[in-house]
Parts: sequence; structure tokens; C-alpha cells
Amino acid sequence: GAGVSQTPSNKVTEKGKYVELRCDPISGHTALYWYRQSLGQGPEFLIYFQGTGAADDSGLPNDRFFAVRPEGSVSTLKIQRTERGDSAVYLCASSLDGTGVYEQYFGPGTRLTVT
Amino acid sequence: EDQVTQSPEALRLQEGESSSLNCSYTVSGLRGLFWYRQDPGKGPEFLFTLYSAGEEKEKERLKATLTKKESFLHITAPKPEDSATYLCAVRGGLYNFNKFYFGSGTKLNVKP
Repeated sequence: GAGVSQTPSNKVTEKGKYVELRCDPISGHTALYWYRQSLGQGPEFLIYFQGTGAADDSGLPNDRFFAVRPEGSVSTLKIQRTERGDSAVYLCASSLDGTGVYEQYFGPGTRLTVT
Repeated sequence: EDQVTQSPEALRLQEGESSSLNCSYTVSGLRGLFWYRQDPGKGPEFLFTLYSAGEEKEKERLKATLTKKESFLHITAPKPEDSATYLCAVRGGLYNFNKFYFGSGTKLNVKP
């Protein structure tokens, strides 16, 4: 079956611009996670959705970052007033539920470059 | 502070040369330790979940073990196709038990 998909695969934007990154989880997965991965580092937790609600957004670095999941499936990560330090690979993962019993399936990521 | 540390950062092995990767963690209320494999340009791929000290899991040439403070990923007679970055993550924490804390990974290179 289809895995987690993310679009775009690459995004280049200028400093100060607004970007949206999209994640399509595996059908039926209620838990969805966003991570950010810098070169040579492990993924860094940003936000976790259970259904439509953000159950834990403690990893969002500041109020320029926002994520939504209005219908409990597709999620969009939104970054306002982008800065060069936002450049990274943004990974999305989904899981059957949020209990941790079921493994997370990751998408291929969106590589964001802020110039 | 909840933290995950992996060692070594990089490991070069000859094909067939067995070794172990280490993941040490400090997290209150561990709710699972996870191992992933990540190939360049791809998202992490799930390998194992361990929940309690003494637990072991195996898959082909890989075996993961867990103690109260660390986990090991043992690689027996590795092949070049085992070359990848291996990531360890823990789920837990007193207040944010839905967060996953990842280590920086061990980059494994297996030479034929």
C-alpha cells in the first residue's frame, strides 16, 4: 500500500517568505508527527497530532511555526517569515495510533532551503 | 534533561566483521526505545521497539538489546547493504510522553 508522502520534495525560498509543507499519512493512521532534521543530526520533534488536534506542540521552536490537520488526515506545516536557520529536512511520520505500541512510518521528507 | 547519545558517530567495518552500536539515554518514564535505519535522502525506516530491560529483538543480521540505561544494536557478519545511518529514539518523559527523542545516529559503512 501507499506510504507516507510529502510535498514538495524540495523547496527553495527567500528569507522572509512564507512556506507550506504538506504531509499525506498512511490511510487510517490517526497519529501524525512532524520532525526537523539538520545535516548530521537525528530528527528533532516538532509537533504531534492525534486525530485533528495537536496533542503536543512543545517542539515548535517559535510562533513562526504552525501546523494544522483539519480533517484528521493530511497535515500542513506552515512557516512564516522564514530564516536561514530554518533550512533543514522536514520529516513527517504517521502511526496507527499515538500509544507508541505501533511503529512510526516516515515519509521521504521535504528539503527546505532558505536563501 | 531527557537525552539520547549514540556512539560511535561513524563506524567502518569489513564485510563479515561483527560489531555493536550503542545508544545511552536519560529519560524519566521510558515508554519505549526504538531503532531506525536511515539511507541517504530517505526517511528513517523502523527496525525494532524495546520496552523493558532485558528485552531482545532480532531481525536478520541485527539484534537489539536493552538495559536500564542503554541499548545495543549488534550487527553480525554485516554486508555492504547494511551500510546506513542507524538512529535510536526514546519515547517518554514526565510531562511530554508523546515526544520522541532521537540521537544523532551512527553512520555505518561496510566495505566488501
